Amino acid sequence: DTEVTQTPKHLVMGMTNKKSLKCEQHMGHRAMYWYKQKAKKPPELMFVYSYEKLSINESVPSRFSPECPNSSLLNLHLHALQPEDSALYLCASSQVRGSVNEKLFFGSGTQLSVL
Amino acid sequence: SQQGEEDPQALSIQEGENATMNCSYKTSINNLQWYRQNSGRGLVHLILIRSNEREKHSGRLRVTLDTSKKSSSLLITASRAADTASYFCATGENTGFQKLVFGTGTRLLVSP
Repeated sequence: DTEVTQTPKHLVMGMTNKKSLKCEQHMGHRAMYWYKQKAKKPPELMFVYSYEKLSINESVPSRFSPECPNSSLLNLHLHALQPEDSALYLCASSQVRGSVNEKLFFGSGTQLSVL
Repeated sequence: SQQGEEDPQALSIQEGENATMNCSYKTSINNLQWYRQNSGRGLVHLILIRSNEREKHSGRLRVTLDTSKKSSSLLITASRAADTASYFCATGENTGFQKLVFGTGTRLLVSP
């Protein structure tokens, strides 16, 4: 199984809603990532988990709350988002091998619209 | 920011032609990767070239790396309509794990 599965594929939410994005992989990868991508722009790193511990938070607003409950699952909890947070949210995973960058495996993303 | 710059931003060619995309980056790297993205969905890893390599091939893909100029190129030979996608280079910092930063991307359109 070489897939990263993201749900839901599409999400529309109001600014007062609370929602969660989910990501799952069964490749035994111990690093998992959240990226945000606006239209016609490159993906921008938000968070990195390594061995289920938050290793990188790229100064992301607290209305985005990541969670890694186990080595296969990654969640992104959303609360009080703004319309400018509308974007494609991509989850990825990779091996962790010392200081060598490994390739990332991406899910197909969640297209989020905040009204 | 370590974000790479890619050029051209957009490229339109006919099937059968070759497509070349260039990537420049700012800091030292241990490898550089290329990814493909169809229609704003997930990215797919294409090829990884290490800093001690100058050229690498994978099928119709050829990647070069010039660390002295901090630049890389991706060549797709004999392009097909199915190659239509956005292509991104990505570089990583030596943090001990994978902090990949993506370049600005090239949108490739291959017409039949």
